[in-house]
Amino acid sequence: SQKIEQNSEALNIQEGKTATLTCNYTNYSPAYLQWYRQDPGRGPVFLLLIRENEKEKRKERLKVTFDTTLKQSLFHITASQPADSATYLCALRAAGNKLTFGGGTRVLVKP
Amino acid sequence: GAGVSQSPRYKVAKRGQDVALRCDPISGHVSLFWYQQALGQGPEFLTYFQNEAQLDKSGLPSDRFFAERPEGSVSTLKIQRTQQEDSAVYLCASLAGEEEQYFGPGTRLTVT
Repeated sequence: SQKIEQNSEALNIQEGKTATLTCNYTNYSPAYLQWYRQDPGRGPVFLLLIRENEKEKRKERLKVTFDTTLKQSLFHITASQPADSATYLCALRAAGNKLTFGGGTRVLVKP
Repeated sequence: GAGVSQSPRYKVAKRGQDVALRCDPISGHVSLFWYQQALGQGPEFLTYFQNEAQLDKSGLPSDRFFAERPEGSVSTLKIQRTQQEDSAVYLCASLAGEEEQYFGPGTRLTVT
């Protein structure tokens, strides 16, 4: 069956360091993968999209990699700040534009 | 309003009651999605509309769940005879093209 896995343990990191989150998937051949940020009590907010033919994408302090051989995406937050504390969700596009989400990883950046 | 709005933000229902959750998508967005998010989990797909047509309802957990979008804009998710396992946050998202989805704040449903 199709599965998307993210580390369910919270990631505690010191301000200024790089946070790295992992998203692994099985039994998918996604056209693209997306990363969203979700704060408590709010809906997810889109951050980045990376296509199957792209290895890496950057946006400000964020970097995403996509390895379709390993079936894995890595999400990096460089020079992390306390305001980056949130839950980060990866999502794969399935047929009909619907997204299938991982369980999310909570990140806590300590000053 | 530039974003997706949902109402009510919070709903408490007694088991067996019917509830209706509303979603106002971004104006002009053709596609609309409903997701269910349990505590500590990622959102799970429920159903998808393109304009007024419901193209995919494969994620609806039972026939107690019903969604409509009669004029291709506002959508309502209805849950009949609510059960405790229906307690979750219900998220609505809209999409203009094919890529990023814009989510509303969600409706937190608690069934007692």
